[in-house]
Amino acid sequence: NAGVTQTPKFQVLKTGQSMTLQCAQDMNHNSMYWYRQDPGMGLRLIYYSASEGTTDKGEVPNGYNVSRLNKREFSLRLESAAPSQTSVYFCASRPSGGAETQYFGPGTRLLVL
Amino acid sequence: QKEVEQDPGPLSVPEGAIVSLNCTYSNSAFQYFMWYRQYSRKGPELLMYTYSSGNKEDGRFTAQVDKSSKYISLFIRDSQPSDSATYLCAMSARGNNRLAFGKGNQVVVIP
Repeated sequence: NAGVTQTPKFQVLKTGQSMTLQCAQDMNHNSMYWYRQDPGMGLRLIYYSASEGTTDKGEVPNGYNVSRLNKREFSLRLESAAPSQTSVYFCASRPSGGAETQYFGPGTRLLVL
Repeated sequence: QKEVEQDPGPLSVPEGAIVSLNCTYSNSAFQYFMWYRQYSRKGPELLMYTYSSGNKEDGRFTAQVDKSSKYISLFIRDSQPSDSATYLCAMSARGNNRLAFGKGNQVVVIP
């Protein structure tokens, strides 16, 4: 059981370049999330998708776009990368009903030069 | 005031000691309380989950929730070097899709 998977594991971009971070889950979860984690800042929610076909802004959405491609996949796009977007990005998913827990992927380390 | 406050540490303890971590929160609607463990360069993994007030024990780990004081704790007994990680508290209200996280507390267990 793979759980939540993320690609790539590591990426280096130049300022102004674009890229898409991929996330997939095989647990049949309805909700999916994108976070960034920076030293001293903790986990901050970028965007989330409560169900297939819906997306909502989180705490720090500026500079990002998301696509909930289907129930399994939720991608995060940086259209024009900036050094301030250097971070570790985590995808998470949440089962529907009952507990409010979330399950995280292994992360993508992004360096923007 | 942030919704969830967690002292970032770091906290260094000798092997075998009891580790005590805590978070305070301001939102009285929170009912679901979690502790995540995050090893270096890895994603957070769910360690403990508690609904409402009370204690929950799982092996060497005990989670406590005191809703009247808006205070949650995690205790690690007989700590091991493999417990060295960052521990994040998280909480949510019923029906809320989002978790509120503490900033994490780095724990180092010295052999």
